[in-house]
Amino acid sequence: DAGVTQSPTHLIKTRGQQVTLRCSPKSGHDTVSWYQQALGQGPQFIFQYYEEEERQRGNFPDRFSGHQFPNYSSELNVNALLLGDSALYLCASSLVSAAQGSGFGQGTRLTVV
Amino acid sequence: GENVEQHPSTLSVQEGDSAVIKCTYSDSASNYFPWYKQELGKRPQLIIDIRSNVGEKKDQRIAVTLNKTAKHFSLHITETQPEDSAVYFCAASIGGGADGLTFGKGTHLIIQP
Repeated sequence: DAGVTQSPTHLIKTRGQQVTLRCSPKSGHDTVSWYQQALGQGPQFIFQYYEEEERQRGNFPDRFSGHQFPNYSSELNVNALLLGDSALYLCASSLVSAAQGSGFGQGTRLTVV
Repeated sequence: GENVEQHPSTLSVQEGDSAVIKCTYSDSASNYFPWYKQELGKRPQLIIDIRSNVGEKKDQRIAVTLNKTAKHFSLHITETQPEDSAVYFCAASIGGGADGLTFGKGTHLIIQP
């Protein structure tokens, strides 16, 4: 969805480092969801934020954490990076009451070396 | 948690023929089933979706069918064109459009000229 923006578009980090990815939702949306898409796989749900709190969480370790700000933008933080964290990280926004799924931002390609 | 199986992993059809991709889900509480198309190097794009109170939905050359009893849903593309070549993902969620999605592993659709 053209309205969801993510930064940066590409990032290279070293094992053990920490990374922060950012997402600005489409105007008017109040809910932000984060997904991890490994190469050749479908996206996997990490977590969702609504009203600045984690509303839902997928099966990801505590190294993955997030935050939502009063303007509804969100950050995804990953600590102690592993090679296996290399993936495309996608952000999607919606209204919490939405009947239809929302679109994704263009994603952040994270490479851990 | 929810588990979504998608078949086939690769599908090659002649241009102009129809293509069918099938998915099954495990959680009978799931009530929202979107389909995404992802071209190489791009973000997944929502192409069609269906809710559990509807058995079939059509949008031009694409249609989705849902069988709640059997817990499976399918994507049908008619009169395939070269631009239909992409990876297609099915997904399911319990709470509707805003909730975290569980994705299938994807189907690489190849349209042969």
